[in-house]
Amino acid sequence: DGGITQSPKYLFRKEGQNVTLSCEQNLNHDAMYWYRQDPGQGLRLIYYSQIVNDFQKGDIAEGYSVSREKKESFPLTVTSAQKNPTAFYLCASKVGHSNQPQHFGDGTRLSIL
Amino acid sequence: AQSVTQPDIHITVSEGASLELRCNYSYGATPYLFWYVQSPGQGLQLLLKYFSGDTLVQGIKGFEAEFKRSQSSFNLRKPSVHWSDAAEYFCAVILWGGANNLFFGTGTRLTVIP
Repeated sequence: DGGITQSPKYLFRKEGQNVTLSCEQNLNHDAMYWYRQDPGQGLRLIYYSQIVNDFQKGDIAEGYSVSREKKESFPLTVTSAQKNPTAFYLCASKVGHSNQPQHFGDGTRLSIL
Repeated sequence: AQSVTQPDIHITVSEGASLELRCNYSYGATPYLFWYVQSPGQGLQLLLKYFSGDTLVQGIKGFEAEFKRSQSSFNLRKPSVHWSDAAEYFCAVILWGGANNLFFGTGTRLTVIP
C-alpha cells in the first residue's frame, strides 16, 4: 500500500545533540512538508519542498534543517540550536497541483532527556 | 492577514447526538477548504474537501460540511456521533497563489460520552 512512513515513532534527544527524523513516501508525490504540532497551537510549517534538491523555509524554520536528495525522502534534522524541540512532528506530501490535499504520516514524538 | 479560526477548543457531545464544529476563514477570495481528523498519537486523515460548486460536501465516516461564503465559514457536521469519532478535528485552507501551502486552524477536540 502507498503511504508515508515516519520513523522512529518516539525519539529522545540529549541537550546539545542533533537528531534526524525520517520521512519516506511511495506515493510519487512531488511536494513534501514538515510540521510541528504543540498542544493548542495546531500545526506549524517548518520546511517544505516542491521538487527534488529544492526546499523553502516555513514559519518556524529556525533550529531545523532538511534535505531533499530523492523524491521519496525528506529527512528533518532538529539541531542543538532548537531550544524547545519537544513536540510531535508530522511529515506530509501531495501531488504537484495546487489544490490537492496533503497526505500525512503517523508522526514522530520527540522528547528531551 | 489570512487566518483560519476554530472558535471551539473542546466540545463534548453524547453518543448519538448531532455535531457541528465551526471553522471561519479570513481571506478575500474563496480558498480551497479541508477538514482533517487526528486520533491521539496519529497523523491527520482527510475527511472532506471543498474547491467549488455545490456548497454542501460529503466526506468519509458520515461527515459533511457546508461552505457559506457570506459567513466565511466551513462548518463540519455529523447527524449522529459515534464513540469512535472522539478525536481532534482541524480545519485547513489553501490560499490562492504563493506556494499553495495548507494553513491550519488550532483544532477542536471532540469528546464523546456514552
